[in-house]
Amino acid sequence: EAQVTQNPRYLITVTGKKLTVTCSQNMNHEYMSWYRQDPGLGLRQIYYSMNVEVTDKGDVPEGYKVSRKEKRNFPLILESPSPNQTSLYFCASSLGTGASYEQYFGPGTRLTVT
Amino acid sequence: AQKVTQAQTEISVVEKEDVTLDCVYETRDTTYYLFWYKQPPSGELVFLIRRNSFDEQNEISGRYSWNFQKSTSSFNFTITASQVVDSAVYFCALSAHTGTASKLTFGTGTRLQVTL
Repeated sequence: EAQVTQNPRYLITVTGKKLTVTCSQNMNHEYMSWYRQDPGLGLRQIYYSMNVEVTDKGDVPEGYKVSRKEKRNFPLILESPSPNQTSLYFCASSLGTGASYEQYFGPGTRLTVT
Repeated sequence: AQKVTQAQTEISVVEKEDVTLDCVYETRDTTYYLFWYKQPPSGELVFLIRRNSFDEQNEISGRYSWNFQKSTSSFNFTITASQVVDSAVYFCALSAHTGTASKLTFGTGTRLQVTL
């Protein structure tokens, strides 16, 4: 089944404890992206990647890191999480990098930082 | 810069009523794409429709219809004879190619509550 998977789905952690949220797609998609969803703000892009080893900042990159060493994987790293990073996170992928391509979203990861 | 505005934060209707979700966008690009996504209570994001800026034909899919008007920069979504299963948050989004990559910008979403 074609899909985007994220792990973990739920995570509660403490301030400053490094964490990684994994994202994997099995559709051989070029483009991958991370978003955070907050009440009243919709989804905002954190980072995106157009291909292996090509990543760039989105609208809210502060406090996050990403890497794209393999085409299928695009992990989101929080080196020192803070409470303001409590949010619902979505990974997405699309076949190409053009504007016409719809994005396929993972199931989401709900992160709470205390 | 591109922007999507969904002025309706929350809408409540009774089942079988028709409901329209508004979406207004801003972009300087002449080529762009508009999307609607549905987020049911389970949380996942479900793609509903994509429209390109050169195609202003309205689209109907079952009880769903979309009205794209470039003159007013709007891409509204109507659900006819709403059902409880339509209860969800609906996001309008705009995608245009900016610089080296395309960018998908979401509105803040409209929560639709359909009751019996």
